Amino acid sequence: EDKVVQSPLSLVVHEGDTVTLNCSYEVTNFRSLLWYKQEKKAPTFLFMLTSSGIEKKSGRLSSILDKKELFSILNITATQTGDSAVYLCAVEADSGYALNFGKGTSLLVTP
Amino acid sequence: DGGITQSPKYLFRKEGQNVTLSCEQNLNHDAMYWYRQDPGQGLRLIYYSQIVNDFQKGDIAEGYSVSREKKESFPLTVTSAQKNPTAFYLCASSIDYRAGELFFGEGSRLTVL
Repeated sequence: EDKVVQSPLSLVVHEGDTVTLNCSYEVTNFRSLLWYKQEKKAPTFLFMLTSSGIEKKSGRLSSILDKKELFSILNITATQTGDSAVYLCAVEADSGYALNFGKGTSLLVTP
Repeated sequence: DGGITQSPKYLFRKEGQNVTLSCEQNLNHDAMYWYRQDPGQGLRLIYYSQIVNDFQKGDIAEGYSVSREKKESFPLTVTSAQKNPTAFYLCASSIDYRAGELFFGEGSRLTVL
């Protein structure tokens, strides 16, 4: 059975800190790993990582994929209160029909 | 603007009543999905549809039903057989079922009184 595990489940940091969110997975015929940010309602897409794209960066956010060790990390540097959200990791399999989501990491950035 | 519209945003129902949540997209996407989100549970797949007039059960389909008569529309009915229907429901779509990236609606929060 495919499995996606995120850690930690929740995290509180101060503005300016750097955070690392983790996502490990077990999936048959891995195709891609995606990160989403969910502030209140609709999750919004951050990154997609595949065999041909194992590192992505956008501003203060970056993510890497380790296909050998079956995990990904999402880094946020110089955190701001606007980064407070639930961060969701999802994995897609070649043989799959939909994304398989982890439980999410709830990040709170305090002033 | 293209996107996914879910309605209603908030819904209250009494036990024993069926309710239907609407999901409409104008992105011309083939695939559509319904997820349920509970606190601390992440997103769990209820039903998905790869193409018009076809849909499949996801991981937690019991007590739910869907239809896909039009490409743009994928309504979800929460039946009285669903034992714990209070939750946040998210509709999503993708270009096709292998596209990876999902586009989400704003969600519908259902509360059973």
